[in-house]
Amino acid sequence: AQSVTQPDIHITVSEGASLELRCNYSYGATPYLFWYVQSPGQGLQLLLKYFSGDTLVQGIKGFEAEFKRSQSSFNLRKPSVHWSDAAEYFCAVGADNAGNNRKLIWGLGTSLAVNP
Amino acid sequence: DARVTQTPRHKVTEMGQEVTMRCQPILGHNTVFWYRQTMMQGLELLAYFRNRAPLDDSGMPKDRFSAEMPDATLATLKIQPSEPRDSAVYFCASGLVLSRYGSSYEQYFGPGTRLTVT
Repeated sequence: AQSVTQPDIHITVSEGASLELRCNYSYGATPYLFWYVQSPGQGLQLLLKYFSGDTLVQGIKGFEAEFKRSQSSFNLRKPSVHWSDAAEYFCAVGADNAGNNRKLIWGLGTSLAVNP
Repeated sequence: DARVTQTPRHKVTEMGQEVTMRCQPILGHNTVFWYRQTMMQGLELLAYFRNRAPLDDSGMPKDRFSAEMPDATLATLKIQPSEPRDSAVYFCASGLVLSRYGSSYEQYFGPGTRLTVT
């Protein structure tokens, strides 16, 4: 069965420091991978996605993620974190059910705190 | 700009009362998802629709929850009767699925309805 694991429940970094949020997935075929961000009191916003092609994908707000098939990972990175990046980050993998009923399988999220 | 809207944004109600949450998907999107988010369970998929037809509602407690799409611009999630354990944030998301090979899994989320049942 498809699954997504985000090993870090909570991460704290200093403003200006680099960031890497981990995501591991379990999926038999080529995955469709996503990172979403949820600011406090808000809905989820799509940061970036990977479908095929270049394994390093760029997203909004200066984020990037790298798909590594050999490690079943899709880690999110940012070279310099801003205080406004404090939020909850969710990794998700697209999964086809029987009958092509597409949905996303979600990780439990990583909460990011940014120290000034 | 196009976005998913949800009403109400906040709802406080007493146990036993009916609650109706509404969602307006992005115009042209043909897939609608209902999620529930709690601290304990994270993000749970309750139900989803394509072209207004329910595809999967296995995540939804059938005895008290119901989801419908009266038309392409409105999705509703009802809880009757509500219970304190239903307190959560309920999100609606919409997406566009064209064909097996010609679409994406992208979902666009609304701001959510924060439900408190006392």
